[in-house]
Amino acid sequence: NAGVTQTPKFQVLKTGQSMTLQCAQDMNHEYMSWYRQDPGMGLRLIHYSVGAGITDQGEVPNGYNVSRSTTEDFPLRLLSAAPSQTSVYFCASSSGGSQHFGDGTRLSIL
Amino acid sequence: GESVGLHLPTLSVQEGDNSIINCAYSNSASDYFIWYKQESGKGPQFIIDIRSNMDKRQGQRVTVLLNKTVKHLSLQIAATQPGDSAVYFCAEPSWGQGAQKLVFGQGTRLTINP
Repeated sequence: NAGVTQTPKFQVLKTGQSMTLQCAQDMNHEYMSWYRQDPGMGLRLIHYSVGAGITDQGEVPNGYNVSRSTTEDFPLRLLSAAPSQTSVYFCASSSGGSQHFGDGTRLSIL
Repeated sequence: GESVGLHLPTLSVQEGDNSIINCAYSNSASDYFIWYKQESGKGPQFIIDIRSNMDKRQGQRVTVLLNKTVKHLSLQIAATQPGDSAVYFCAEPSWGQGAQKLVFGQGTRLTINP
C-alpha cells in the first residue's frame, strides 16, 4: 500500500517557467490537500478538494492552480514560477479523519 | 482566526528522559487539536489528538494535556528514544465543505542525546 505518492521529489525551475507537481493516493480518500512548508515554519494550506470536480482555496492560493478529475490524483500547477514559491510542497489525503501526508516535493525557483 | 504557536523552537533531552513540548493557541472557541511528528525528509505523521471536552489523552508513550483556561496544550513523550528525534507540530483544524483544513504552529525540533 503506497499511501500518498508525490513526484518529483526535487525540482529546480527558472523564474517564469511552469510546472505541475503530481500527487496520487491509493486509499480511495475523498479529501485531498496541498500545503507548502517554508524553512522553520509549519505547513500552510494552498488548495484543497472534497471530491472529484470540487476544489477550494486555502490560506495561500495565489500563484497556484489545482484540479481534481479523479479521486486518486490531485495535481498542483505553477503557471509562472516565482522565487517566493521556493518551498517544500506536501500533499495530503483523508477520508474525514487524520490526514495522511506524502514525503514532499522540494522546489527551488532561481 | 485560528493561530497556534510554540514556546520553544528547539529542545534537547537525554535518551530515556521524558520530554514536554508546549503549544499555545489564541482562539478560545477552538475545540480540537492534533499533534504531528515530522522526521527529516518526510511528511508530517499523526501522533495524537484531543478534543476540548477532555483535559488529557494518552497514547503509547505520549500524553497530550489541554488547559483551556490559559489556552495551552502540551505533548509529553515518556522514556524518549533516538527515533523520537523530529520536529513536532501542534495543529488546529478548521473545516471547509467537510474537509479538514489544518493550521500548523511553527514546530519544535526535539533532539534526543545518547
